[in-house]
Amino acid sequence: QVHLRESGPGLVKPSETLSLTCSVSGDSLSRSIHYWAWIRQSPGKGLEWIGNIFHSGNYKIHPSLKSRVTMTIDTSQRHFSLNLTSVTAADTAIYYCARRNIAATVSFFDSWGQGILVTVSS
Amino acid sequence: DIPMTQSPSSLPASVGDRVTITCRAGQNIFNCLNWYQQKSGSAPKLLIYGASNLQSGVPSRFSGSGSGTEFTLTISGLQPEDFATYYCQQSYNVPRTFGQGTTVEI
Repeated sequence: QVHLRESGPGLVKPSETLSLTCSVSGDSLSRSIHYWAWIRQSPGKGLEWIGNIFHSGNYKIHPSLKSRVTMTIDTSQRHFSLNLTSVTAADTAIYYCARRNIAATVSFFDSWGQGILVTVSS
Repeated sequence: DIPMTQSPSSLPASVGDRVTITCRAGQNIFNCLNWYQQKSGSAPKLLIYGASNLQSGVPSRFSGSGSGTEFTLTISGLQPEDFATYYCQQSYNVPRTFGQGTTVEI
């Protein structure tokens, strides 16, 4: 059974970069049917998809975050990462990593990490 | 972005009730609709994918229906562990978008 776990700082100063890592066990990051995703949740905006990354390193990012987000993946180390630059208080949220699976031609997030609360504050 | 609108926002209910939550998409998303359950302090959990396919391990009292722009999640015989917030999510295009959530409460 796949298990995902987010790690990183819980407090980031405004204008700095938020960096998170998702460690994956129980599954290979190289399987071609899976993408690996970041999703965040804040009281003001609910659940917001940030982006997906494939084992090749190709990724798709929410258009509203495209200028500030990069994602990387290390299949040998079984983790993928999120960098969000120039953070503001609006980026305060619980950040989840998740596995995007596909069946019956439909994609969905079938496994999630426990989430990590990141607060942007000086 | 495809807006996803859920109704109601909150739903008072009792154990044993049959409850229905509606999700409307801002455009035709065919059957690209998923439902998640989230309990306080936990991550969302996938219940239904592709509008009507029950995720493995999810009790059969949960069911989903609909296509195009209107979808429903039904819980037949509400159990104490079902009091939670439910979200719909479209997987038709990028960016993926979620509904604002429906809280089923006592």
